[in-house]
Amino acid sequence: DGGITQSPKYLFRKEGQNVTLSCEQNLNHDAMYWYRQDPGQGLRLIYYSQIVNDFQKGDIAEGYSVSREKKESFPLTVTSAQKNPTAFYLCASSSSLYNEQFFGPGTRLTVL
Amino acid sequence: AQKITQTQPGMFVQEKEAVTLDCTYDTSDPSYGLFWYKQPSSGEMIFLIYQGSYDQQNATEGRYSLNFQKARKSANLVISASQLGDSAMYFCAMREFSGGYNKLIFGAGTRLAVHP
Repeated sequence: DGGITQSPKYLFRKEGQNVTLSCEQNLNHDAMYWYRQDPGQGLRLIYYSQIVNDFQKGDIAEGYSVSREKKESFPLTVTSAQKNPTAFYLCASSSSLYNEQFFGPGTRLTVL
Repeated sequence: AQKITQTQPGMFVQEKEAVTLDCTYDTSDPSYGLFWYKQPSSGEMIFLIYQGSYDQQNATEGRYSLNFQKARKSANLVISASQLGDSAMYFCAMREFSGGYNKLIFGAGTRLAVHP
């Protein structure tokens, strides 16, 4: 079945550690996105990528990094520079920047 | 200023009844798109319905319809014949061109509870 997978579902990390969240899609979509969701709030865009080897900062990119070496994959690294990383992270993809986005199941990151 | 406003933090409805979830938006771009997503307790965002700013007719998808009132800048979601499985968070989002790219801006969401 076509879709978006994110792993792991739950992630715990100690302060000062970098951690990488995985996002894979087999929908043949060109565009991919990373969002952050805090409790009781909507989604905020961290990074997005229109095509392979290209990505752009969203509204809250500080403390995060991404790569887009393959069309199917768009991993997000939460660095130690991110001051408040505990949140729910959602990855999405779309066939273009104009079309609806389809989301993965999300990763819940907790910093201990 | 809020780009997407959902004024109802929580709503409840009786099973099989219809419910309207409010969404107002603010943009000066003549070309934009409006989306509704459902987020169950599992966390995944499920796309429900889309309305383009130039669409003449209100969008419909099964039990979901979008009451698009362009002059009032509102895009309310109507769910007919509510089911217990409709209990979830619902987010309104707007696609606009900003900072050199198209971006989705989300509202804060409305939590819907369907009672038997």
